[in-house]
Amino acid sequence: SQQGEEDPQALSIQEGENATMNCSYKTSINNLQWYRQNSGRGLVHLILIRSNEREKHSGRLRVTLDTSKKSSSLLITASRAADTASYFCATGGDSGNTPLVFGKGTRLSVIA
Amino acid sequence: GAGVSQSPSNKVTEKGKDVELRCDPISGHTALYWYRQSLGQGLEFLIYFQGNSAPDKSGLPSDRFSAERTGGSVSTLTIQRTQQEDSAVYLCASSLSGRNGGELFFGEGSRLTVL
Repeated sequence: SQQGEEDPQALSIQEGENATMNCSYKTSINNLQWYRQNSGRGLVHLILIRSNEREKHSGRLRVTLDTSKKSSSLLITASRAADTASYFCATGGDSGNTPLVFGKGTRLSVIA
Repeated sequence: GAGVSQSPSNKVTEKGKDVELRCDPISGHTALYWYRQSLGQGLEFLIYFQGNSAPDKSGLPSDRFSAERTGGSVSTLTIQRTQQEDSAVYLCASSLSGRNGGELFFGEGSRLTVL
């Protein structure tokens, strides 16, 4: 079964605006990761945040993690048309040897 | 190659036929995963190999699905007696270590269409 649930399912914004996507999960985690997928093929890793971290930055990406609410958010600042893709969160269990479980994703469209 | 390689990239088969999908992970990666993604949906976990440990097969949807990983490297996902609902993109990923959920590197997937 899927652990993470992204919200919203779809998001459409203008180029230059910020995009915020949320992820909620159910069980204790070791870390949470965000991935990007273009055109329904392979996923690309964006960022990993560990359960003892609250915020992490990478370029125009900012990820927050609230373990008390079992939620995470991905913020893309100053969006570009090339950011158009599906974004997935994935959670790694805290038992140390469990596979990553992915959510259903948020489909982001950035309009030039 | 430098990345995860999957073949075939596209496969069209008739209902009832068997298919084999191949994944060649990044050299040195001990963890290998298979996921399935139906059109417009998220990733459904199928099976996970970690080093010499017994694979986690908890995501395989039926006994028609099986996978093996030979020599700790190449993996083959086999679907027997394919059904139309098996149509999906099958994604393989590898990781340096599966422990504590490290970063996954994905292949481009194998798109399976069952007529």
